[in-house]
Amino acid sequence: AQTVTQSQPEMSVQEAETVTLSCTYDTSESDYYLFWYKQPPSRQMILVIRQEAYKQQNATENRFSVNFQKAAKSFSLKISDSQLGDAAMYFCAYVYGTYKYIFGTGTRLKVLA
Amino acid sequence: NAGVTQTPKFRVLKTGQSMTLLCAQDMNHEYMYWYRQDPGMGLRLIHYSVGEGTTAKGEVPDGYNVSRLKKQNFLLGLESAAPSQTSVYFCASSIPGRRRGYTFGSGTRLTVV
Repeated sequence: AQTVTQSQPEMSVQEAETVTLSCTYDTSESDYYLFWYKQPPSRQMILVIRQEAYKQQNATENRFSVNFQKAAKSFSLKISDSQLGDAAMYFCAYVYGTYKYIFGTGTRLKVLA
Repeated sequence: NAGVTQTPKFRVLKTGQSMTLLCAQDMNHEYMYWYRQDPGMGLRLIHYSVGEGTTAKGEVPDGYNVSRLKKQNFLLGLESAAPSQTSVYFCASSIPGRRRGYTFGSGTRLTVV
């Protein structure tokens, strides 16, 4: 069965520093997508970044980038130059088929001023 | 603004009461989903729909019913609420395919006392 594991329930980072959130997944599929979603205190889920499994190049969106290791089934999120607004719950998600998502349990990120 | 709208945003129910959560999207998305979010458990799929008039069970469907009579609306019903259904409920929608990810509503916090 497909699973997504986020082993860090909570992380802290100093403002302007870099932090990496880990995510591993288990699948027998070869064609899938991976996503990171951000959930700030407002509860609204916001798509941060996506990675297509067949692409070897790691996705980047401004200060957010991923380290995608397909063989190791690892999909970590790196946040550079952390800002107070980055404080949120972050969810890793794996999607296979046409619409079936599996979410991790989330990592709460605290940003220290 | 285009997006997914959930009503109500907050609700307190007594055990045994019934209620319906409404989800409306104006993006002409084919697929719609209901998730529940519980601490330490991430998001779990309750029911989903791949088109008007169709519904299917997700991971945790017991105690819930859904209907998709119109493409833009997806209703989640609780016939006899239980304290175990205290949660935050999210509706989401998507187009067929996986690349764009979900668009989420802002959630409904439901407390059953």
